[in-house]
Amino acid sequence: GQNIDQPTEMTATEGAIVQINCTYQTSGFNGLFWYQQHAGEAPTFLSYNVLDGLEEKGRFSSFLSRSKGYSYLLLKELQMKDSASYLCAVRENYGGSQGNLIFGKGTKLSVKP
Amino acid sequence: EPEVTQTPSHQVTQMGQEVILRCVPISNHLYFYWYRQILGQKVEFLVSFYNNEISEKSEIFDDQFSVERPDGSNFTLKIRSTKLEDSAMYFCASSGGGRNTEAFFGQGTRLTVV
Repeated sequence: GQNIDQPTEMTATEGAIVQINCTYQTSGFNGLFWYQQHAGEAPTFLSYNVLDGLEEKGRFSSFLSRSKGYSYLLLKELQMKDSASYLCAVRENYGGSQGNLIFGKGTKLSVKP
Repeated sequence: EPEVTQTPSHQVTQMGQEVILRCVPISNHLYFYWYRQILGQKVEFLVSFYNNEISEKSEIFDDQFSVERPDGSNFTLKIRSTKLEDSAMYFCASSGGGRNTEAFFGQGTRLTVV
């Protein structure tokens, strides 16, 4: 079966660091993605991991451990505009296609002053 | 910056009516997708399309749904006979060639079935 788990909500303070965890169990694996989604808007791409380790991109970093089925998104120097839902998504691999994304329910992050 | 565009942004339709949601993917992308998100719930995969045919579809994508790429730029989702539970935000996405590229999402069409 397919299962992607992440916390429902988190709260953090402006300027701080927050880590959002994601665990997954899927029938195939061809990469893990993190998307940001503001209320009523489309998901926007943040990061991608297909190999184990840390990928850094400015204030955002993402980590993957395939053996543990685990990823996290690290947000540094939080800003008020970072208040959004953060979606963990796994791309499964079917034959020659790129494979669709299986999304978690998202973690709603609230950044307080 | 290239983007995926969707029209209309909002659509209200009566139950049982047909609706067509339209998308213009990023021009050099090869893979196209439809996802939906019921209010307050997670984003769910509906269908993927590559080389002018469906490559994968989910259990949600039943006989009421169809997709088409009628010309070189548009990608459409048709719902033949809408039900109340089809009310959702529908996102079109596209990704480029190669195995390791992200999907870019359009702004979505909010469909309300009354």
